[in-house]
Amino acid sequence: AQKITQTQPGMFVQEKEAVTLDCTYDTSDPSYGLFWYKQPSSGEMIFLIYQGSYDQQNATEGRYSLNFQKARKSANLVISASQLGDSAMYFCAMRDAPGGGGNKLTFGTGTQLKVEL
Amino acid sequence: GAGVSQSPRYKVTKRGQDVALRCDPISGHVSLYWYRQALGQGPEFLTYFNYEAQQDKSGLPNDRFSAERPEGSISTLTIQRTEQRDSAMYRCASSGGETQYFGPGTRLLVL
Repeated sequence: AQKITQTQPGMFVQEKEAVTLDCTYDTSDPSYGLFWYKQPSSGEMIFLIYQGSYDQQNATEGRYSLNFQKARKSANLVISASQLGDSAMYFCAMRDAPGGGGNKLTFGTGTQLKVEL
Repeated sequence: GAGVSQSPRYKVTKRGQDVALRCDPISGHVSLYWYRQALGQGPEFLTYFNYEAQQDKSGLPNDRFSAERPEGSISTLTIQRTEQRDSAMYRCASSGGETQYFGPGTRLLVL
């Protein structure tokens, strides 16, 4: 069975600082994918970044990067130069089957990030 | 449209009534997923389709829940004889590859 663990219910960060949101996972599948989504107070689910289990390099998308440590089964999200608009709930998720085109995501419980002036 | 759309955005119904929730995926996306999200929690998988074929319905909580995607595009999630515990946000997502893109959700309230 899969499991995604996000141990930080809430985090605070000063504007323009970097912040790391933790995510650990547990799976017996050798091939899997890891995702981060942002859910602002408006309720939408916004895709941020993806890391495949066989990817050699850590994924980056603009100010977002994924610190993937396979041996430790961790996939932490790093947000650089935080902005007020980054205040939101952040979910880590995992897909456990190879290939695209359709398999379910298992989500963590989320981390509520608050960016302060 | 450019993104996944869902309707209605809000649905209030009385216990025992049937409801139908609609999802219109991103054009060309093969896979369509349904999730349910309780307040303060992450989404939980219900079912998914590739084209019109339902590939996995292991997340449907009981036989009051069903879904279809008859032409491989729009999908409908139906809940029969609704109960108060069915109240939640129901989210649809579609994908053409690795990433699932979510719609705005339907907030269901069963009184």
